[in-house]
Amino acid sequence: KNEVEQSPQNLTAQEGEFITINCSYSVGISALHWLQQHPGGGIVSLFMLSSGKKKHGRLIATINIQEKHSSLHITASHPRDSAVYICAAGGGSNYKLTFGKGTLLTVNP
Amino acid sequence: DGGITQSPKYLFRKEGQNVTLSCEQNLNHDAMYWYRQDPGQGLRLIYYSQIVNDFQKGDIAEGYSVSREKKESFPLTVTSAQKNPTAFYLCASSPAQGVTGELFFGEGSRLTVL
Repeated sequence: KNEVEQSPQNLTAQEGEFITINCSYSVGISALHWLQQHPGGGIVSLFMLSSGKKKHGRLIATINIQEKHSSLHITASHPRDSAVYICAAGGGSNYKLTFGKGTLLTVNP
Repeated sequence: DGGITQSPKYLFRKEGQNVTLSCEQNLNHDAMYWYRQDPGQGLRLIYYSQIVNDFQKGDIAEGYSVSREKKESFPLTVTSAQKNPTAFYLCASSPAQGVTGELFFGEGSRLTVL
């Protein structure tokens, strides 16, 4: 069974700070997803990656397959980045993603 | 605009009643999913469908039922057999099969049992 652990559970930052959220998983995977959930509940997909690094605006996602670890970085954080960030991992032809419990990020002005 | 629409956003149910949550997408995606979210837990898969007229149970399918009669629609029925139905329900779709497709989520439906 693939376990997905995120850290930290809660993170408070000041506007402009560099943010890192970590995700570790226990078995080999085909894909690692990073999702963002706003207070209203809707979820948006940020990244899907299977190797290396992806960048979109101020967000960067990396994955280290050997260490079974992924990170989500936010540069120059802003209050609108405040949300829950969720990591999800899945492998092979299995249609099931295993989701982490999420990291609640609060960015203060 | 293309996307996924869930309704209702909020729903209250008396014990013993069945309720149906609607999920409609106009993204032309074959794969659709229903997830349940409880406080302090990760999303858990209830049912998924890879193609019209076909669906499979996820990890917590007991007390739920689905149908996939049209590509655009994947309604979830929460039956009276579901012992603890109060939760936030999320529908998602994906353009690709398996775990490598980007997920597109609806805004969710919050069900409360009175």
